[in-house]
Amino acid sequence: EAQVTQNPRYLITVTGKKLTVTCSQNMNHEYMSWYRQDPGLGLRQIYYSMNVEVTDKGDVPEGYKVSRKEKRNFPLILESPSPNQTSLYFCASNPDSVTDTQYFGPGTRLTVL
Amino acid sequence: QKEVEQDPGPLSVPEGAIVSLNCTYSNSAFQYFMWYRQYSRKGPELLMYTYSSGNKEDGRFTAQVDKSSKYISLFIRDSQPSDSATYLCAMSGETSGSRLTFGEGTQLTVNP
Repeated sequence: EAQVTQNPRYLITVTGKKLTVTCSQNMNHEYMSWYRQDPGLGLRQIYYSMNVEVTDKGDVPEGYKVSRKEKRNFPLILESPSPNQTSLYFCASNPDSVTDTQYFGPGTRLTVL
Repeated sequence: QKEVEQDPGPLSVPEGAIVSLNCTYSNSAFQYFMWYRQYSRKGPELLMYTYSSGNKEDGRFTAQVDKSSKYISLFIRDSQPSDSATYLCAMSGETSGSRLTFGEGTQLTVNP
């Protein structure tokens, strides 16, 4: 089954404690993205990747890091989480064009205390 | 000011109604316009896309783009309770890649 998986699905942590949210896709897609979704602000792109070792900033990259060492994986790293990073996070992948379906993961709800 | 503005609703309609959802945008570089549907506790899924100005129809759904007014619409005919979801518009200035700007989303409830 074609899918994007994210782990963990739910996470409560404290300010400053480094964390990683994993994302993996099994569709051999070139492109992968991370979004955060907040009430009143909608879905905003954090980082995206065009291929292995190629990443670029989205609209809200501050406080986040990503890496793309393998085509299937695109982890999101919060080196020093802060309460304003409390949000619902989605990973997505798509084959090539922006008009292709972006396959979204199930989401990770992060709370930073 | 946001690049893409979308009324968050909520919008509540009776079953069978025609629903109109809209977005406005400010970036004239946007060429590709998409509508996503997001059910509660799920990730968004692509409904339709349109390139530049014009209309596109897919079953009960019609997408319209008016680039001169920087205004896009999604119409749902004969709305069903299963259409209850949040609808997000998304836009891009490039065809290749995954660089998208989303609207806030409109929450729609179709009542039986």
